[in-house]
Order: sequence, then structure tokens, then C-alpha cells
Amino acid sequence: NAGVMQNPRHLVRRRGQEARLRCSPVKGHSHVYWYRQLPEEGLKFMVYLQKENIIDESGMPKERFSAEFPKEGPSILRIQQVVRGDSAAYFCASSPIGEETQYFGPGTRLLVL
Amino acid sequence: SQQGEEDPQALSIQEGENATMNCSYKTSINNLQWYRQNSGRGLVHLILIRSNEREKHSGRLRVTLDTSKKSSSLLITASRAADTASYFCALISSGSARQLTFGSGTQLTVLP
Repeated sequence: NAGVMQNPRHLVRRRGQEARLRCSPVKGHSHVYWYRQLPEEGLKFMVYLQKENIIDESGMPKERFSAEFPKEGPSILRIQQVVRGDSAAYFCASSPIGEETQYFGPGTRLLVL
Repeated sequence: SQQGEEDPQALSIQEGENATMNCSYKTSINNLQWYRQNSGRGLVHLILIRSNEREKHSGRLRVTLDTSKKSSSLLITASRAADTASYFCALISSGSARQLTFGSGTQLTVLP
């Protein structure tokens, strides 16, 4: 059974470039969550999606960040015009309908030079 | 802040000893969960305790929840070097759309 998969595991971008982070949830899970973790800190919620719907994006920065979870394919977290402060580990989690436990992927570590 | 706060921030013990980590929070919750994170890795779910439960066990783990004090504790008995990791409490607030609110974690080091 494959768990949550994220790619790439490491991503280096220069300031002003775009970063695209992908997340494939556990097969059969219809809920996807994105979290950001700064060094030495806990995870901070960014966005909660179901297929083709954004349910809660209260943790997303208002500019440059967007997320989608299309009917087919992985969930994508997109960061436009990256800045050094975007450097962090980005974790995706998924859960099935009716279950509150979230299953986390290994994360994508973004470094902005 | 709805955030859970872990205490202590860091804990170092000898193999075989018990480790206790505490989590306090400020809101009403649906449930509280504990996760473990090895350095540079993703999070692993350990245990979920619902707001109407007081204690739960899973192997060497024991979690308690006191909603009147808005606090939870995670006890790891007979610790092993492999238990070295960061431990986070995460809560789902009443009325929230399933988002987890994490504390800043306790870094546990178990010395062989």
C-alpha cells in the first residue's frame, strides 16, 4: 500500500521563480491538506481540499500561493515569484471520508536562493 | 491562539526510562492527536483521543486528556533509542473544517 507521495523531495529555486509541489494522496483518500514547517517549528496549516474544491484556505498567504486538487492527478501547491522566506518544508496529508486521522507524506524541502 | 503548546521543549532520558510530554491548548476541541517526526522526515500518526475520552493506550504509548484543564499528556514507557524524535500534539478545534493545529513540539532524545 503506497502512502502519501510527494515530489520532488527537494527543490531549489532562485528568487522570482515558480515552485510547483505535487502530492499524491493515499489511494481512496478524497481529502488533502497542505502544511508548512519552518525550521525548529511545528507545522502550520495552509489549505484543505477535496476533489475539485477548496474547502478551507484560511492558512494560505493571500498572494503568490495557490493550490488545486483536480479530478484526475495529484494535488498541486504552486508558489509564484518565490522569496527567501518561502524556504521551508511543505507537507501534504490525506484522509479518507469520515476519518479524522491525517496521513502525512515525506515532505518537499524548498530552498530559495 | 488555538495552538497546542508542548512542554518540555526538549527532554533527554536514558534508555529504559519513561518519557512524559505535555500539551496545553486554549479552545474547545473535537479530538487531539499525537504525531512523531524523525529528523528531516514526515510525520507519523501515533494516537488520537476524542474529547469524550480520558485515556487511551497503544503499545508503549499512553495518552491522557483532561478537557477541564485543556491539557493532554503522552507517556512513552520503557523508552528505546529509536524513540528519539520530535513529538507534536495536534488538535482539531470544535467547528473547524478538519484542519490540524500543531504545537511547536518536544524534542525527545533517548540515550543508549
